Amino acid sequence: RKEVEQDPGPFNVPEGATVAFNCTYSNSASQSFFWYRQDCRKEPKLLMSVYSSGNEDGRFTAQLNRASQYISLLIRDSKLSDSATYLCVVRGFSGSARQLTFGSGTQLTVLP
Amino acid sequence: EAQVTQNPRYLITVTGKKLTVTCSQNMNHEYMSWYRQDPGLGLRQIYYSMNVEVTDKGDVPEGYKVSRKEKRNFPLILESPSPNQTSLYFCATYGTGSYEQYFGPGTRLTVT
Repeated sequence: RKEVEQDPGPFNVPEGATVAFNCTYSNSASQSFFWYRQDCRKEPKLLMSVYSSGNEDGRFTAQLNRASQYISLLIRDSKLSDSATYLCVVRGFSGSARQLTFGSGTQLTVLP
Repeated sequence: EAQVTQNPRYLITVTGKKLTVTCSQNMNHEYMSWYRQDPGLGLRQIYYSMNVEVTDKGDVPEGYKVSRKEKRNFPLILESPSPNQTSLYFCATYGTGSYEQYFGPGTRLTVT
């Protein structure tokens, strides 16, 4: 079983739609969680951290469910510019540099 | 401007011909890391470095070497490249107290 699993998609949604991605992780000791965005053939960039209480940044909402070991990303009122691959990232044990484990990504295409 | 640079950006080479991919950052970050990204497998860590002269293996270190003689530079060395090392390579860095990783623009390597 992969440490971090995501539905690879692709998700094709119309502009203005609401779309949600889930990501599951296998290590219950994982400490921090992030969503990164990667445009085609470009480097990943941090989209947002995921906090235990859930957090929102404009049209983006991230949530964490420790009991079920998954995190989610909700995008409301999707724009054409949201088309990208979204990477779920999990940080493991503190004090270890080998911490960040990346999911393989979920591909989103927003259609006009 | 905070930057992570990689060179070359694209490289086509033949099996067995030693090559080096350079990575340099101007953020004075202690931590640097190399990843490879392959379709369906996501980002996998090759090597990482916690500081000058401190390096350690990631998840897929076979066939690679690194060195960290200066804080800003972290070259990736392929002593005898093979076709299974054809991939997209990213260098990344972050500073203490933050887990946001800054990625370089990527190096697309093809080994024939």
